[in-house]
Amino acid sequence: GAGVSQSPSNKVTEKGKDVELRCDPISGHTALYWYRQSLGQGLEFLIYFQGNSAPDKSGLPSDRFSAERTGGSVSTLTIQRTQQEDSAVYLCASSRQILNTEAFFGQGTRLTVV
Amino acid sequence: QKEVEQDPGPLSVPEGAIVSLNCTYSNSAFQYFMWYRQYSRKGPELLMYTYSSGNKEDGRFTAQVDKSSKYISLFIRDSQPSDSATYLCAMSAQGGSEKLVFGKGTKLTVNP
Repeated sequence: GAGVSQSPSNKVTEKGKDVELRCDPISGHTALYWYRQSLGQGLEFLIYFQGNSAPDKSGLPSDRFSAERTGGSVSTLTIQRTQQEDSAVYLCASSRQILNTEAFFGQGTRLTVV
Repeated sequence: QKEVEQDPGPLSVPEGAIVSLNCTYSNSAFQYFMWYRQYSRKGPELLMYTYSSGNKEDGRFTAQVDKSSKYISLFIRDSQPSDSATYLCAMSAQGGSEKLVFGKGTKLTVNP
């Protein structure tokens, strides 16, 4: 596609439910990144993928968070047993390769846990 | 102390004004410095990228990095209403976008 696509754009879920967020990177981009943006906070790094491999998962806030990438393309970020503090905008970005600073962001998924 | 500090504003200026945005940081390992612009309900878009100390100019935008002071700036000349957005500084110790550390962003409004 023309840009990074994220779905859904908005998600409201009940506390304790699992949610799955999807990211379609720009075609041909091997690197993919997940960030979280909370109200009044900067962007918080979560995880990145080089191909299907996630060399650094240290940014994931807890073991309720997991992410995977298949076929070197689509990635899903899963949050289990959601908590109210998980409410944020989850942003995905991709770049042609891992050492490329030109990272293109999607519009994000706004997650609200009620 | 947070690794990157950025005044959240808000900052309101008249059209045509020169805007100065800045960030300070504490990690001396940072070598790569970026400015992103984020419109409401949109993802951030990369505006400027600089490596180490020095200046970089692109049209109405100038980025400055002073590593000795751990201080970076973005100047916008002849500001336009379309420049109204949140500006985020970001930096990393590596060359890639992974582990970019962001400031909280400064909300700018340019009034016509």
